[in-house]
Amino acid sequence: GAGVSQSPRYKVAKRGQDVALRCDPISGHVSLFWYQQALGQGPEFLTYFQNEAQLDKSGLPSDRFFAERPEGSVSTLKIQRTQQEDSAVYLCASSLFRTNTEAFFGQGTRLTVV
Amino acid sequence: SQQGEEDPQALSIQEGENATMNCSYKTSINNLQWYRQNSGRGLVHLILIRSNEREKHSGRLRVTLDTSKKSSSLLITASRAADTASYFCATDMAGANSKLTFGKGITLSVRP
Repeated sequence: GAGVSQSPRYKVAKRGQDVALRCDPISGHVSLFWYQQALGQGPEFLTYFQNEAQLDKSGLPSDRFFAERPEGSVSTLKIQRTQQEDSAVYLCASSLFRTNTEAFFGQGTRLTVV
Repeated sequence: SQQGEEDPQALSIQEGENATMNCSYKTSINNLQWYRQNSGRGLVHLILIRSNEREKHSGRLRVTLDTSKKSSSLLITASRAADTASYFCATDMAGANSKLTFGKGITLSVRP
């Protein structure tokens, strides 16, 4: 595709509900990142994939957060038993190589937990 | 935790003026990147400067990097109303799998 695509753009979830957020990176990009952006803040790192391998998940805030990229392209971020503090914009980014290359971001998924 | 700190937090200028935004960081880096974010949208990459570079230009953008002071500046010349956005610096820390650490951002308003 022309850019990084995320879906849905907006998601309203009731507290306790499970959600799944999808990211389609740019074709051929090796690296894929998930970030969480709270209102008025900069994005904060959640997890990193190199192809299908999840090499860094140090930013995932709890074991309710799970991410996968089984075939090294599309990725899904799953949040179980959502809580109000999970409300944020979830951004996906991909880059061509592992280091020293620009990251291309998707438009994000705005999650609101009510 | 956020490594980068931008200043000022907010900047309001007249169209045609130059805008200078600063960023400081704490640890050794591979590179530093600047991004723009329009309200409710994703981040757009502006420019990347490597740790062994001191200055870089791209169109109306000029970025400097001083690794001894752990700081960077972004200059936008001849600003336009369309430059109104939030600007973030992001550092790619040495040995950190290219994950980016962002600051809180600078809100730039360019008055027509």
